[in-house]
Amino acid sequence: EAQVTQNPRYLITVTGKKLTVTCSQNMNHEYMSWYRQDPGLGLRQIYYSMNVEVTDKGDVPEGYKVSRKEKRNFPLILESPSPNQTSLYFCASSSTSGRAEAHEQYFGPGTRLTVT
Amino acid sequence: AQSVAQPEDQVNVAEGNPLTVKCTYSVSGNPYLFWYVQYPNRGLQFLLKYITGDNLVKGSYGFEAEFNKSQTSFHLKKPSALVSDSALYFCAVRDDTGGFKTIFGAGTRLFVKA
Repeated sequence: EAQVTQNPRYLITVTGKKLTVTCSQNMNHEYMSWYRQDPGLGLRQIYYSMNVEVTDKGDVPEGYKVSRKEKRNFPLILESPSPNQTSLYFCASSSTSGRAEAHEQYFGPGTRLTVT
Repeated sequence: AQSVAQPEDQVNVAEGNPLTVKCTYSVSGNPYLFWYVQYPNRGLQFLLKYITGDNLVKGSYGFEAEFNKSQTSFHLKKPSALVSDSALYFCAVRDDTGGFKTIFGAGTRLFVKA
């Protein structure tokens, strides 16, 4: 089954304790992206990656890191989480064949993060 | 800069009636427009997209959307709403100027009453 998986699904942590949220897709997609969803703000893009070793900032990259060492994986790293990073996080992927911008994204189930 | 506006936080409609969820956008180049739906405790699912060509786009679950370039709008429509259509709907935009950022609207919650 074609899917995007995220782990963990739920995470409660404390300020300053480094954490990683994993994302993996089995569709051989080149493009992967992280979003955070907050009430009234919709989804805001954190980082995206066009392919292995190619990453770029979205609209809200501060406080986050990413890496793309393998095509299927795109982990999100919070090196020193703060309470304002409490949010619902989604990973997504899409193909880039042909007109890359035209492809819809496939989303993971989400990771609900609480930072106290 | 790209932007997306969904002017209604919530839309209420009776089952069997037509529904419209509004979206307007602003981009530098030509737009690529998407609608996604989010059911409770789920990730987003793709509904439909406009790339080029016919202004009326048909998608999943009987939804369609009309692209209007002069009004920079991409409203989501369905002729006859179902209770099961109740969900959170997001409009999103990219453009063809070479960047791959995706901008989402704030979302519109649709309630369909039986």
